[in-house]
Amino acid sequence: GAVVSQHPSWVICKSGTSVKIECRSLDFQATTMFWYRQFPKQSLMLMATSNEGSKATYEQGVEKDKFLINHASLTLSTLTVTSAHPEDSSFYICSAREAGETQYFGPGTRLLVL
Amino acid sequence: GQNIDQPTEMTATEGAIVQINCTYQTSGFNGLFWYQQHAGEAPTFLSYNVLDGLEEKGRFSSFLSRSKGYSYLLLKELQMKDSASYLCAVSLPRSNDYKLSFGAGTTVTVRA
Repeated sequence: GAVVSQHPSWVICKSGTSVKIECRSLDFQATTMFWYRQFPKQSLMLMATSNEGSKATYEQGVEKDKFLINHASLTLSTLTVTSAHPEDSSFYICSAREAGETQYFGPGTRLLVL
Repeated sequence: GQNIDQPTEMTATEGAIVQINCTYQTSGFNGLFWYQQHAGEAPTFLSYNVLDGLEEKGRFSSFLSRSKGYSYLLLKELQMKDSASYLCAVSLPRSNDYKLSFGAGTTVTVRA
């Protein structure tokens, strides 16, 4: 149980385009979903916290207009990187939790912006 | 802010034991998680401590002292597949959606 999927697993795009990443909880209803970014050899940095049906809460320094988060259902959250630039290239990971504290992580999406 | 410290790297021999320490100073505390992350992959859950003491799960054990702001992950009978990054993460209170604040990770290299 507690499986989280992400799609796509990797994406290459041109600078200036937008990229959408989906995060799904496959066998449970996620009360809360989280979006992280990880640069090479660094730890996970929380970008935003998303509760179903309400606006996402962004961490300090994360631009909400650049990283759009939609959490339309208890099993799906999306992250859209708008007008992507090379510095947005990173490993984006989502996680989801049900009622308890444990977060289950998706497999991650590797984004390369050329 | 949140401060979570763990060593950057550790090296050990196959079959040996390694202990990864983690100290934390956070604005709130609900529990402490340890995750394993292989290169290029997402983290996988290893253990969770909320009360003081030792939690044992097979070859892996995790210890917590809330009064000292200290935890460790003990890896026994090391195998080559244990080479990975180990992340210490503090779970913040429910009022913070149980957000996780991660340490920088400890890269463990297991040598034959």
